[in-house]
This record gives sequence, structure tokens and C-alpha cells, in this order.
Amino acid sequence: DSGVTQTPKHLITATGQRVTLRCSPRSGDLSVYWYQQSLDQGLQFLIQYYNGEERAKGNILERFSAQQFPDLHSELNLSSLELGDSALYFCASSVAWGWDYGYTFGSGTRLTVV
Amino acid sequence: AQSVTQLDSHVSVSEGTPVLLRCNYSSSYSPSLFWYVQHPNKGLQLLLKYTSAATLVKGINGFEAEFKKSETSFHLTKPSAHMSDAAEYFCVVSEEGSSNTGKLIFGQGTTLQVKP
Repeated sequence: DSGVTQTPKHLITATGQRVTLRCSPRSGDLSVYWYQQSLDQGLQFLIQYYNGEERAKGNILERFSAQQFPDLHSELNLSSLELGDSALYFCASSVAWGWDYGYTFGSGTRLTVV
Repeated sequence: AQSVTQLDSHVSVSEGTPVLLRCNYSSSYSPSLFWYVQHPNKGLQLLLKYTSAATLVKGINGFEAEFKKSETSFHLTKPSAHMSDAAEYFCVVSEEGSSNTGKLIFGQGTTLQVKP
């Protein structure tokens, strides 16, 4: 167990629907990162939060949004889902921003859009 | 812009033989480079990282990597493969100017198969 908890582990939903993925960071970590892993795009950085505020944005679609709550857990919301959104979504956490601190990945949420 | 190229999408070795996973990078700055491993249905685990200290970096589970600036390479090696090494391996570079964000750029991955 890495200490980063992602729920649910698997999610199957239909096109056009909306889902929420949840991430609880490792205890003491203030920064949360979201990544998407798909067969055609590989691992892509989506967004980063630090202590409740957005710090960096990557290749995140407008249909996707995220937030980090006061208890530091984060949620990634995916709406108007398309078949191409099927992927493994990873959350990672670190003490602070910046790679020097290193970060820990969760085991991911596998989203299948049918 | 930075980029990472993993030269082999699939590598197959026999148990007990050496492992070589190749990675070339492109970066205008002195990069920070990493290798991650992903076992089936598991998250990503850091094997090792290079951050401009020693060019030969030792990681977990007997893996090591050598940073060669002249060749822009950061190949991962292990003297003797074990069955448990079978997994997906990712070479990663930190994005330039991103030390205050933590954004990473991943290679496409190399699947390591270890045959008995």
C-alpha cells in the first residue's frame, strides 16, 4: 500500500455520463497530481493542486475538472464522457510542489466508457 | 520542449541474464530523469532518479542507470533479471522550468518480459 488511495478501482459507464474519481493523498502530503494513462497517449499530466489551490494544468479537457478539498482529498470530475476517455487515471501526492520532494502514486482508477 | 523516447516497446530476456532498457531524452536544460516501474494492476513505483549529482544512479531491486549527456541517454540496466522484474518500465523527464510544479513527461513505456 503506497499510502495514496484512489476510489473506485474500476468504473464502467456509458457515453454522455459524468463520473467522479476520488483520491486521498498520503498522510502529510499537501500536493496532489492527476495523470491519465491511455493506450494511444501514454501517461499524460492533467492537473496539480497544492493545499487546495490549482498550481499547474496539463492536457486536461474542458469537460474535465478537479478540486482539492480542505481535508486535502481531491476529486476529478469527468463529464460528457466519450469512448476515448476510457483510460487508467492515476493520482499522485507529494509533501509540496516540485519533483525534488518526490511523489507517490496510487494504484489508479480504470474507467471504461461504453 | 522536453521529450523522452524509449527505444524498445518490448524487451524479452531470460531469467538470470542482464537487462537493458534504453531511453533517450531531449532537454535544453540539465534535466532531472527518472525510471518508474508499473506491475500489472498496480500503481507506478519509483526505481531511481537522476538530479545532476552522480551520473551513475543506483535504484531499488538492483537496477541502475547511467546519465550520459553526450549521448542524451539514460539507459536502465540490471545485471541479472528475476521473474518478478516482468513489468512495464517508464523513462521520465521533468519538464523544464517546472521544478515548482512537479510536471513529468513520460516515455511510452517498455514492457519487460522475463522467461524462465
